[in-house]
Amino acid sequence: DQQVKQNSPSLSVQEGRISILNCDYTNSMFDYFLWYKKYPAEGPTFLISISSIKDKNEDGRFTVFLNKSAKHLSLHIVPSQPGDSAVYFCAASARLNFGNEKLTFGTGTRLTIIP
Amino acid sequence: DAGVIQSPRHEVTEMGQEVTLRCKPISGHDYLFWYRQTMMRGLELLIYFNNNVPIDDSGMPEDRFSAKMPNASFSTLKIQPSEPRDSAVYFCASSFWGGTGELFFGEGSRLTVL
Repeated sequence: DQQVKQNSPSLSVQEGRISILNCDYTNSMFDYFLWYKKYPAEGPTFLISISSIKDKNEDGRFTVFLNKSAKHLSLHIVPSQPGDSAVYFCAASARLNFGNEKLTFGTGTRLTIIP
Repeated sequence: DAGVIQSPRHEVTEMGQEVTLRCKPISGHDYLFWYRQTMMRGLELLIYFNNNVPIDDSGMPEDRFSAKMPNASFSTLKIQPSEPRDSAVYFCASSFWGGTGELFFGEGSRLTVL
């Protein structure tokens, strides 16, 4: 079963507008969440993370929101730039309370920024 | 640091052949992970090691798959015999205990089994 779900395989956004990528999870033991970005023919690279004790974390143009009651997180990119075109993976772990370092990933969302 | 190094970058083989993928983690990292990327399932964890010891291999699809970590700087993922459905990109990643929980990925090995 897919414990981390990204229900939108693709998303297109105009340059300069806000991109919102969504992720849902089912495992209530997850307490740490990350977003990764992946360009073609490269490995995924870390973008931003949030722990379950917070509901928002911001880093420049990137903000991640966590709604624990809904088991939902989202990544906001504003303003969107052409270089943001990539596949974005949501990931989760139970590292904080359970010491489990392994990350469970979603299936990814391909973001295309239209100039 | 050179980052996580994987080889080969591309492998094309015929069904039934043995395939060996290699990984050198970042020096000082004590966790090593093998993931497989497919369109249908995204990034799937196959196995991970802590201090060279396999901790969780529940993601290894079948007995045809095996992984070893003989020392802190080297790991292999072997498929024997390979099948067309094993075609995917295989990623190795490493991290360290007490870090941010971020995994550092290699560039991947693209495997095509004909």
